[in-house]
Amino acid sequence: DSGVTQTPKHLITATGQRVTLRCSPRSGDLSVYWYQQSLDQGLQFLIQYYNGEERAKGNILERFSAQQFPDLHSELNLSSLELGDSALYFCASSVVRGGDTQYFGPGTRLTVL
Amino acid sequence: GEDVEQSLFLSVREGDSSVINCTYTDSSSTYLYWYKQEPGAGLQLLTYIFSNMDMKQDQRLTVLLNKKDKHLSLRIADTQTGDSAIYFCAEDTGRRALTFGSGTRLQVQP
Repeated sequence: DSGVTQTPKHLITATGQRVTLRCSPRSGDLSVYWYQQSLDQGLQFLIQYYNGEERAKGNILERFSAQQFPDLHSELNLSSLELGDSALYFCASSVVRGGDTQYFGPGTRLTVL
Repeated sequence: GEDVEQSLFLSVREGDSSVINCTYTDSSSTYLYWYKQEPGAGLQLLTYIFSNMDMKQDQRLTVLLNKKDKHLSLRIADTQTGDSAIYFCAEDTGRRALTFGSGTRLQVQP
């Protein structure tokens, strides 16, 4: 158990819908990262927050957004969902914002029908 | 640019050693990591090595880093069926998040 929690574990929805994935980092960690794992793209970095502020952006679509709240938990919002958004979404946390070990949550499996 | 490459598949017999290889291109990488992913599960951090080290040993795991060739390897001694999983190497340049390889599927034959 890494100490990073993610909810829900599974999510099944339809195209065009919007969903919110939630992540709670390890106690004391200030940075939260979101990654997407799909069969064709592998593991890709989406976005990073540090102490409530966006710090880095990766291959995140404009339909996706995230935020980190004062209690340091983070939410990833996915809207206008397409079939190709079906993937495992991982959250990771670390103490600082770069050059620091990242611990991953168990992931949320999103299926878009 | 950043690019991490791994072979896709490795099959070994139980009790043998496994060696999983990885190459990376960003010479400014500060840390290099090995993660393990079992079916349907998340990413478990196995070990990591700082870029100024050549080798790190942690119980059955040995990490070797050849910075000149940008080559990283993970050796698992006395491989067990429970080691069957996908192994990802990842680099961290300190500028942003991790860049992962495509993963090596390790199959351990009893």
